[in-house]
Amino acid sequence: DSGVTQTPKHLITATGQRVTLRCSPRSGDLSVYWYQQSLDQGLQFLIHYYNGEERAKGNILERFSAQQFPDLHSELNLSSLELGDSALYFCASAREDRVGETQYFGPGTRLLVL
Amino acid sequence: QQQVKQSPQSLIVQKGGISIINCAYENTAFDYFPWYQQFPGKGPALLIAIRPDVSEKKEGRFTISFNKSAKQFSLHIMDSQPGDSATYFCAARWFTGNQFYFGTGTSLTVIP
Repeated sequence: DSGVTQTPKHLITATGQRVTLRCSPRSGDLSVYWYQQSLDQGLQFLIHYYNGEERAKGNILERFSAQQFPDLHSELNLSSLELGDSALYFCASAREDRVGETQYFGPGTRLLVL
Repeated sequence: QQQVKQSPQSLIVQKGGISIINCAYENTAFDYFPWYQQFPGKGPALLIAIRPDVSEKKEGRFTISFNKSAKQFSLHIMDSQPGDSATYFCAARWFTGNQFYFGTGTSLTVIP
């Protein structure tokens, strides 16, 4: 158990809909990363928040948005969903260690868009 | 454009053998190179990591070899066990510390 929680575990929805994925980081971790994992694309970095501020954006579509709240939990909002958005979505909380930065991944949310 | 290229895509190794997974990168702005292990239905978990100023790091049966001039790094799993069967990802962190790039993954199967 990484200490990172993600809800919901599974989500089935229809095209055009909007969903919100939630992530609670490990206690004390200020960083939250969001990733999309699909079979043909591997792990794709979406966005990084640190202590409530957006730090970096990766391959995140304009239909997607995220935020990190004062209690450090984060939400990823996906709107106008398309079939191609079906994937596993992971969040990871992170902290610096003596080598670099360890990311602790949550169990993921499996999204299926029908 | 794939910032970190990983090979092979899949690997089958006999129990007790050595598993070797390779990664290559182009951008010298990376400053930290972790390897992650992922079991089916789980999130990736950090296995071992290295900084570019170190050429080798060993933790138990897992070793990272790092060649800065060639911009390549590899994971060696010694005495591979069936329990090592998983997907392995290499990654690289952008020097500002705000973004990670992952390889496409290697599915390792260790047969008894």
